[in-house]
Amino acid sequence: AQSVAQPEDQVNVAEGNPLTVKCTYSVSGNPYLFWYVQYPNRGLQFLLKYITGDNLVKGSYGFEAEFNKSQTSFHLKKPSALVSDSALYFCAVRDEITGTASKLTFGTGTRLQVTL
Amino acid sequence: EAGVTQFPSHSVIEKGQTVTLRCDPISGHDNLYWYRRVMGKEIKFLLHFVKESKQDESGMPNNRFLAERTGGTYSTLKVQPAELEDSGVYFCASSQAASSTQYFGPGTRLTVL
Repeated sequence: AQSVAQPEDQVNVAEGNPLTVKCTYSVSGNPYLFWYVQYPNRGLQFLLKYITGDNLVKGSYGFEAEFNKSQTSFHLKKPSALVSDSALYFCAVRDEITGTASKLTFGTGTRLQVTL
Repeated sequence: EAGVTQFPSHSVIEKGQTVTLRCDPISGHDNLYWYRRVMGKEIKFLLHFVKESKQDESGMPNNRFLAERTGGTYSTLKVQPAELEDSGVYFCASSQAASSTQYFGPGTRLTVL
């Protein structure tokens, strides 16, 4: 069975400072990892994904995530936070597809609050 | 290109009533998924269509939930009869292939009183 843990319910950071939103995962095979963001009153928006290759993945809005196989982590990062980054962030995992199973397993979400 | 759309955006019903949620995937996406987020918890998978066929319905909570995708285009998710614990946000997502990125709609917030 696959699972995702987002250990922080909320992360607070001042604008201009770097931010990290943590995610660890568990899968039986090779992981496909995703970050989605939900802005207030909006749906889930795809940010970035890791399938294979370079461990550092770059995505939308200046976000990046680092895949660490030994620590089974996929933390989301941004060098300089903006107030507009304030939103709910979800990490998700999918096991390397065998057959046609392609469902995503999500974490509980981390609320990012960026203040001036 | 239009994204995934869902209707209605909000629905408030009483326990025992029926509600039908609709999802229109991105044009050309054969794969359609339903997920829900209950009481601020994690987003949980409900089921997966490939065209009009149910590929995986392992996440459907019970037989009060019925999903259809006649013609392989839009999908409906019916809850009958609704219970209090069904309250939450129901998300629909679509992807071109099963291995492709899933793109989500804005969700339908269901409140059962």
